[in-house]
Amino acid sequence: ETGVTQTPRHLVMGMTNKKSLKCEQHLGHNAMYWYKQSAKKPLELMFVYSLEERVENNSVPSRFSPECPNSSHLFLHLHTLQPEDSALYLCASSQGLEDGYTFGSGTRLTVV
Amino acid sequence: ILNVEQSPQSLHVQEGDSTNFTCSFPSSNFYALHWYRWETAKSPEALFVMTLNGDEKKKGRISATLNTKEGYSYLYIKGSQPEDSATYLCAFTSGYQKVTFGIGTKLQVIP
Repeated sequence: ETGVTQTPRHLVMGMTNKKSLKCEQHLGHNAMYWYKQSAKKPLELMFVYSLEERVENNSVPSRFSPECPNSSHLFLHLHTLQPEDSALYLCASSQGLEDGYTFGSGTRLTVV
Repeated sequence: ILNVEQSPQSLHVQEGDSTNFTCSFPSSNFYALHWYRWETAKSPEALFVMTLNGDEKKKGRISATLNTKEGYSYLYIKGSQPEDSATYLCAFTSGYQKVTFGIGTKLQVIP
């Protein structure tokens, strides 16, 4: 257990479903991130929240909607996804980029 | 788009062998270089944070060096063990605080 907890670990959803991914950290970190990892590609940054404010949104389609209600929790709301959105979604937190990230174990998402 | 390349993409070594792999990154606007180890079905785990040209870091049998002027870092594993089997990621952080990951080197240590 790294201190960053992600649920669920696995998710299968249809293209018309709405689901949410949850991430929780109690490390006292002030920034949280969503990353996507597709097969044979590097980790891709999706969203950054710093002190609960979204500071980066890397041209992610609107069918992905992040939410950060407080400094310990981060959600990724999913709606009308496409099969190509199937990937591993990793949450991370940090206290500063010089310290690196603490990652969760990820959610393996399959869109059918 | 910043280019962070890792080589090789995969390798197999015998238990007891030493090995090394490379992370190449832009030689300008450097802020930090991170190495992570990612075992299957687990979270990526931070190994080293490197910030100064010439940095050398060591953790047990694993060590890393950094050359920011030429834009590369080496990760060395001495006397590889099966538990070293993992994907090793490097991440380059620019002075604009943008983090770019490499695709990783997948290491398999054969008992």
